Amino acid sequence: DVKVTQSSRYLVKRTGEKVFLECVQDMDHENMFWYRQDPGLGLRLIYFSYDVKMKEKGDIPEGYSVSREKKERFSLILESASTNQTSMYLCASSFLAGGDYEQYFGPGTRLTVT
Amino acid sequence: QQQVKQSPQSLIVQKGGISIINCAYENTAFDYFPWYQQFPGKGPALLIAIRPDVSEKKEGRFTISFNKSAKQFSLHIMDSQPGDSATYFCAASARWGNRDDKIIFGKGTRLHILP
Repeated sequence: DVKVTQSSRYLVKRTGEKVFLECVQDMDHENMFWYRQDPGLGLRLIYFSYDVKMKEKGDIPEGYSVSREKKERFSLILESASTNQTSMYLCASSFLAGGDYEQYFGPGTRLTVT
Repeated sequence: QQQVKQSPQSLIVQKGGISIINCAYENTAFDYFPWYQQFPGKGPALLIAIRPDVSEKKEGRFTISFNKSAKQFSLHIMDSQPGDSATYFCAASARWGNRDDKIIFGKGTRLHILP
């Protein structure tokens, strides 16, 4: 079974803090993704990576950065957390790019910024 | 042109009824159309998917209907059960796209099946 794990299920941070969300997949997938999920807005892509040290902006990259130093690990960084970044964050991975690939999602991290 | 429009946003169906969720797309390069199911507290998971060379695909109580000319596809859940209560996302992607092509998700439908 493919497993995508996220470092925390729930996280509470203060405004201005630097926040790290970690994601690890165990299936040697090429591609990894970070989404945020908000009611009524669905899944919005923040960043994705199709190879180690490669990253591509998604639809809402502002206020976020990412790091992929190893194939299995993809980190999302909030440089200076703000209250409008309170959300559910989902990590996903997939084998192929640009094809009929299945995305495997982690359980999500619910981040609250106060 | 990259959007996938999903409706309704929420749906309530009696147990045993048919649940229908609709999606529409514009980009004719899309040729893979999956549906993802998400239970509370979990990440989405692939439920069923279709390619445009067929007009319908059925897996158990779940059926995707695909209308290529109208650029629409829908998910039908027959004999809906309370355990089907979840959020459903339609999506679209291009099988032979570029390396950095990505899957496009609809905004989701919250389905509640009344017991």
